[in-house]
Amino acid sequence: GQQLNQSPQSMFIQEGEDVSMNCTSSSIFNTWLWYKQDPGEGPVLLIALYKAGELTSNGRLTAQFGITRKDSFLNISASIPSDVGIYFCAGRAGSYQLTFGKGTKLSVIP
Amino acid sequence: DAGVIQSPRHEVTEMGQEVTLRCKPISGHNSLFWYRQTMMRGLELLIYFNNNVPIDDSGMPEDRFSAKMPNASFSTLKIQPSEPRDSAVYFCASSFGQGGTGELFFGEGSRLTVL
Repeated sequence: GQQLNQSPQSMFIQEGEDVSMNCTSSSIFNTWLWYKQDPGEGPVLLIALYKAGELTSNGRLTAQFGITRKDSFLNISASIPSDVGIYFCAGRAGSYQLTFGKGTKLSVIP
Repeated sequence: DAGVIQSPRHEVTEMGQEVTLRCKPISGHNSLFWYRQTMMRGLELLIYFNNNVPIDDSGMPEDRFSAKMPNASFSTLKIQPSEPRDSAVYFCASSFGQGGTGELFFGEGSRLTVL
């Protein structure tokens, strides 16, 4: 089956720093979704990507759909304490099936 | 607009008891998904409904698990009898689009603890 490797697993950064995380797949996807999950809450959709090479921003967040269609990255600029949480990537190959990464746990040190 | 609504948010029960989790998808969405989240396995798809019809239930762990969607605005996930290994957070999610390919929106989850 499809596998998604999300890295890093966790990261500690200083407030104000930029953050970068990525996901790589063993197979081609035609959709990438990035989610953030706060403790005790459900995943919240941050950015959706539909085309290879697509670069999309949502405030301080920027995500790109890799041109090989096997990877995607998410950048957060000028991190703030409320950015703390677990970030998940999810890829879709064409059907309803979404494959989720294991998540990147982000901690922001004030 | 209301998002996906799940109840209960927390459920603590004893092994052997029946558990029923409920979900109201976003109005107008035609696909509904039930996921289970654990530390070990992450997010796992249990079952997918499209236009109220179960399309893929291959992720349902055992016959103890069943799900229904009697109409476009309501779904249930039932576990009977429950076991301690069923302890997890269960998420309902919905989307709009052909064949369940739209953007997926999650509810806040139902945290189940089976003692």
